[in-house]
Amino acid sequence: GAVVSQHPSWVICKSGTSVKIECRSLDFQATTMFWYRQFPKQSLMLMATSNEGSKATYEQGVEKDKFLINHASLTLSTLTVTSAHPEDSSFYICSASSGRDYEQYFGPGTRLTVT
Amino acid sequence: RKEVEQDPGPFNVPEGATVAFNCTYSNSASQSFFWYRQDCRKEPKLLMSVYSSGNEDGRFTAQLNRASQYISLLIRDSKLSDSATYLCVVTDSWGKFQFGAGTQVVVTP
Repeated sequence: GAVVSQHPSWVICKSGTSVKIECRSLDFQATTMFWYRQFPKQSLMLMATSNEGSKATYEQGVEKDKFLINHASLTLSTLTVTSAHPEDSSFYICSASSGRDYEQYFGPGTRLTVT
Repeated sequence: RKEVEQDPGPFNVPEGATVAFNCTYSNSASQSFFWYRQDCRKEPKLLMSVYSSGNEDGRFTAQLNRASQYISLLIRDSKLSDSATYLCVVTDSWGKFQFGAGTQVVVTP
């Protein structure tokens, strides 16, 4: 149980384009989903927390107009990187929580490369 | 100062040996503690939660020292498959995860 999927697993896009990443909880309802970013040899950094049906809460330094998060249902959250630049190239990982405890279940991640 | 600090390693460990490493955290109000394992270019996977009394799961033993604000992980009888980066995770009172940068373990034949 507690499986989280992400799509796509990797994407290459050109500078200036937008990329949408989907995160789905497959066998449980995720009241909260989290989006992280990880640069090489660094820790996962929380970008934003989203609760179903409400606006996401962004961490300090994360531009909400650049990283659009939608959590339209209890099983789906999307992250759209708008007007991507090479410095946005990173490993984006989502996680989901059922809200019953502190545990988060991680998706397999999406490797974004912006050329 | 980072909220969660780990020795990046790498810890080079002969197969069958024991390795242990710590993680320190700065927020004394931290609520929950976990060890995650991350393989190269993969997502983190939960290895074990860390309880106040310490806990063991097979060859893995985790300890929590609230007074000194650190948690530890010990791996006995290391296997080649234990090679990975071990991430320390500490949650605040809101349940927000704070990740350490990870400790790399390399088990050699």
